[in-house]
Amino acid sequence: GNSVTQMEGPVTLSEEAFLTINCTYTATGYPSLFWYVQYPGEGLQLLLKATKADDKGSNKGFEATYRKETTSFHLEKGSVQVSDSAVYFCALSDRNDYKLSFGAGTTVTVRA
Amino acid sequence: DVKVTQSSRYLVKRTGEKVFLECVQDMDHENMFWYRQDPGLGLRLIYFSYDVKMKEKGDIPEGYSVSREKKERFSLILESASTNQTSMYLCASSFGGVRATEAFFGQGTRLTVV
Repeated sequence: GNSVTQMEGPVTLSEEAFLTINCTYTATGYPSLFWYVQYPGEGLQLLLKATKADDKGSNKGFEATYRKETTSFHLEKGSVQVSDSAVYFCALSDRNDYKLSFGAGTTVTVRA
Repeated sequence: DVKVTQSSRYLVKRTGEKVFLECVQDMDHENMFWYRQDPGLGLRLIYFSYDVKMKEKGDIPEGYSVSREKKERFSLILESASTNQTSMYLCASSFGGVRATEAFFGQGTRLTVV
């Protein structure tokens, strides 16, 4: 079956620091990959996505590249802000399965 | 913009009550989902539906049921609420068919059972 493993948190950073959150996946088919963000007290919002190998998704300064050879989709941001404090979820969707498979989530706190 | 709307942001219910959580989406999505989110456990799928009147159990269906009488609405029912069902409940929807697409989430309902 499908599964997603992402690095455990919590992660605490200073403003303007570089952020990486590792995500690896196992899938039987050809998945699409996603990063979702959840701000305190809110639902999940789609941050970025990639639908095939070597695609790069980007949004709000965040980037992630779909690496089929390493089955990875690591999230990066070059200079974080306090407003980036949130929980980040890596997820995959497979055309053979209706539902998303989520990682456990990584809590990121950015301090001024 | 896709909108997934959950009927309540916060809910407090008593043990033994029957509880209805409602979710409506406006994008004509075939798939709808109910998740619960608990600290340290991530998101766990309770039930999902891929068409009107169709439903399938997710990972943790015990103590819950669902109803999908119309395409845009998916209800989660707690037949007899218990304190261990205190949680954040998230509804989501997505396109169906062969497309492996993203899901869109509602704002969540924080349910407290006392």
